[in-house]
This record gives sequence, C-alpha cells and structure tokens, in this order.
Amino acid sequence: AQKITQTQPGMFVQEKEAVTLDCTYDTSDPSYGLFWYKQPSSGEMIFLIYQGSYDQQNATEGRYSLNFQKARKSANLVISASQLGDSAMYFCAMREANTGGFKTIFGAGTRLFVKA
Amino acid sequence: SQTIHQWPATLVQPVGSPLSLECTVEGTSNPNLYWYRQAAGRGLQLLFYSVGIGQISSEVPQNLSASRPQDWQFILSSKKLLLSDSGFYLCAWSQGHGELFFGEGSRLTVL
Repeated sequence: AQKITQTQPGMFVQEKEAVTLDCTYDTSDPSYGLFWYKQPSSGEMIFLIYQGSYDQQNATEGRYSLNFQKARKSANLVISASQLGDSAMYFCAMREANTGGFKTIFGAGTRLFVKA
Repeated sequence: SQTIHQWPATLVQPVGSPLSLECTVEGTSNPNLYWYRQAAGRGLQLLFYSVGIGQISSEVPQNLSASRPQDWQFILSSKKLLLSDSGFYLCAWSQGHGELFFGEGSRLTVL
C-alpha cells in the first residue's frame, strides 16, 4: 500500500536561511508523482512543486526545490532564503499511476516556523 | 481561469443532524473532483473522488456520501452526523494526473 511519511512535526529556521523538510514514501508502482503543498493558517492548500518518478532532474520552482532520491524513496523539499511568510504547514503527497492517477495521499505534515 | 468554491465556510451541527457541503468548479470541463477531511493538526484523508457525472469512488467506509449531479458540482452529505465527523473538509479538483487545486475549506464542528 502506498504511504507517505513526514517525520518532522515541527521545524524552526532563521529568516534568510535554507531549510529542508523531509519526506519518504513507499510504493511498488514504478510510475508515480510526488507533490508538495503549503497550508497557511488560513487553511487553504497551495501547490508548490511536482516531481515525476521518471524525471531525471530535480524539480525547482523559484525558492523551492525538490531533492529527489529515488533509490532511497525520499523527496525532500528545500526552501532557500526563508521568509516570514513561509511559516505554515507543509504536506508531501504522492499519486500512483496504477490507481488510475486519481488518488493522491498525503503525509501528516511538517509545521515550519520562520524566526525573524 | 479556473475557480473552485465550497460552502458553507463554517458550520456547527448537533449529533444526528444531516449535513450538506457543496463544491463547484468553474472554467474547466470534466475535472476530477475530490473530498478530503483534515482532523485538527493532521494530514489530509481522502474521502471520495469522482472522474465524471454520477461516478463516485469511496475511500473510507463511513456515514458520509458524495454525489456529482453536474460536471462542475460535487456534494458531500450525511444523514446523521457523528462527533467523529468534526474536521476541516476540503474540496479539490485536478485535470488528469496534474496537481490538486483546493477550495477554501469548510470547518465542521459536531456537538
């Protein structure tokens, strides 16, 4: 069964520094997609970045990059130059192709606190 | 551009009362639609997803049900709410295998 694990309930980072949020996953499907979402205190879920299992390059979107290590089944999110507005919950998620590509499961999340 | 709306934003219901949460999507055709529930401080649990009108897949057996009467409309219902139904309900849509786009969420408190 597919599974997403985020082992860091909370993380602190100093403003302007980089931070890595961990995510490991478990799947037997060779074709899958990995996503990261941000949830501010308002509750909305915001898509940040996507990595496909066959992508050769690590995904990057502005200050966000995904450190994809397929053999280790990890997909860590790196946020560079942290800003106060980055304080939020961050969720790692996975979608497997063998479910018709329609089911996305989420990890428990990591709460990030950015300190001024 | 595509937009997604869900309502009501908050509601407080007594145990045993019915529930209806509605979600609508505009600006896209034949989207995949989803209902997720988030318990306080927890991750998202997939409840239902739909790939077309009248097509509903249930992920978690419970006293909730979902319906998709129109391509752009997704409804979450219950005939009798339980205390354990309290949570933050999120509707989302996607095109194909793409990322999910979420609504604003509905916070349900069952007393």
